[in-house]
Amino acid sequence: GNSVTQMEGPVTLSEEAFLTINCTYTATGYPSLFWYVQYPGEGLQLLLKATKADDKGSNKGFEATYRKETTSFHLEKGSVQVSDSAVYFCALSDRDTGRRALTFGSGTRLQVQP
Amino acid sequence: DGGITQSPKYLFRKEGQNVTLSCEQNLNHDAMYWYRQDPGQGLRLIYYSQIVNDFQKGDIAEGYSVSREKKESFPLTVTSAQKNPTAFYLCASRSTGDEKLFFGSGTQLSVL
Repeated sequence: GNSVTQMEGPVTLSEEAFLTINCTYTATGYPSLFWYVQYPGEGLQLLLKATKADDKGSNKGFEATYRKETTSFHLEKGSVQVSDSAVYFCALSDRDTGRRALTFGSGTRLQVQP
Repeated sequence: DGGITQSPKYLFRKEGQNVTLSCEQNLNHDAMYWYRQDPGQGLRLIYYSQIVNDFQKGDIAEGYSVSREKKESFPLTVTSAQKNPTAFYLCASRSTGDEKLFFGSGTQLSVL
């Protein structure tokens, strides 16, 4: 079945540091890939997505490239801010199952210190 | 503004009690989903509905029930058969032809 593996957190960085959060996946077929962000006590918000191999999703300074050869979709940001502190979830679409739901990783907590 | 509204934000369940979590959307989306989130874990799919009057079990449906009588509403009942109900519950919806999900702000359910 489909699955998503993310690096464990928490990831603690100083403001303006470079961020990488690793995400790898296992899927049948060719899923779309997503990054969602969750702030404390809230639901998930879509951060970015990519629908096919070599696509790069980007938003608010965050980027991730769909790498089919390594089945990865790592999230990066060149300079993090305190306001980026949140939990980040990698996800893939269940295209082949017909239910069209998303399968999520376990989430990575990011803490950015001033 | 269009969106998904979940209520209540906090809910407490007594032993042997059924409780119902509300989810309403005004996005005109056909598909709706319920996920459960436990601390330090990802989201797990409980139930989903692709269209009114139809719904399917997800990966962890035991101890839960749903209904989909209206397009905009997808309530989740946590029954007494769910022995470990304490979790954060998230409702989501999706437009036909799109893959991304829109989420509500969640309901935290705790056991007294």
